[in-house]
Amino acid sequence: AQSVSQHNHHVILSEAASLELGCNYSYGGTVNLFWYVQYPGQHLQLLLKYFSGDPLVKGIKGFEAEFIKSKFSFNLRKPSVQWSDTAEYFCAVLNNAGNMLTFGGGTRLMVKP
Amino acid sequence: DAGVIQSPRHEVTEMGQEVTLRCKPISGHNSLFWYRQTMMRGLELLIYFNNNVPIDDSGMPEDRFSAKMPNASFSTLKIQPSEPRDSAVYFCASSRTGTYSYNEQFFGPGTRLTVL
Repeated sequence: AQSVSQHNHHVILSEAASLELGCNYSYGGTVNLFWYVQYPGQHLQLLLKYFSGDPLVKGIKGFEAEFIKSKFSFNLRKPSVQWSDTAEYFCAVLNNAGNMLTFGGGTRLMVKP
Repeated sequence: DAGVIQSPRHEVTEMGQEVTLRCKPISGHNSLFWYRQTMMRGLELLIYFNNNVPIDDSGMPEDRFSAKMPNASFSTLKIQPSEPRDSAVYFCASSRTGTYSYNEQFFGPGTRLTVL
């Protein structure tokens, strides 16, 4: 069965700092990976996804993630965070049948103005 | 499209009472998911429907929980009797999926349940 680990539970940054959130997965099949964001009091929204091709994936709001197969990782990055990026971020992996997601535990990001 | 609609948005009830959460998926979506989010356990998949049929309910905590999808536009998650440890935010999500294919899951606003 697949699993997803997000080792950083809480991250605090100042505005303009660079961001990297870790995501490691354990899965034996074809890997399809996602990052979702949940702003305070809101529902989850898709930031970006990787299915195949270029391992560097660009998402919305300046976010990107890099799939590194040898490291079983799909870390989320942003060169310069803003206060509005304060949210919880979830990494997820899709199962073989392509119909269910397994989510990581989430990382709470707080950006200080 | 209005997106995934959930009701109620907030529910406060007393232990032992029956609680029913409702979800209307996005029109045209054929898969529906119920998730539970808590501080301790994060986001957990409870049950997954495809074409109104429950496909995987292995995440349902116990017999007190039940879910139905009588038609393509409506699903309920029922807890009877409710307990304080059921307090959480319950999300419904929907997507358009086919065999070995995937489309983005769209999440509803959630129902924040508090059991006293």
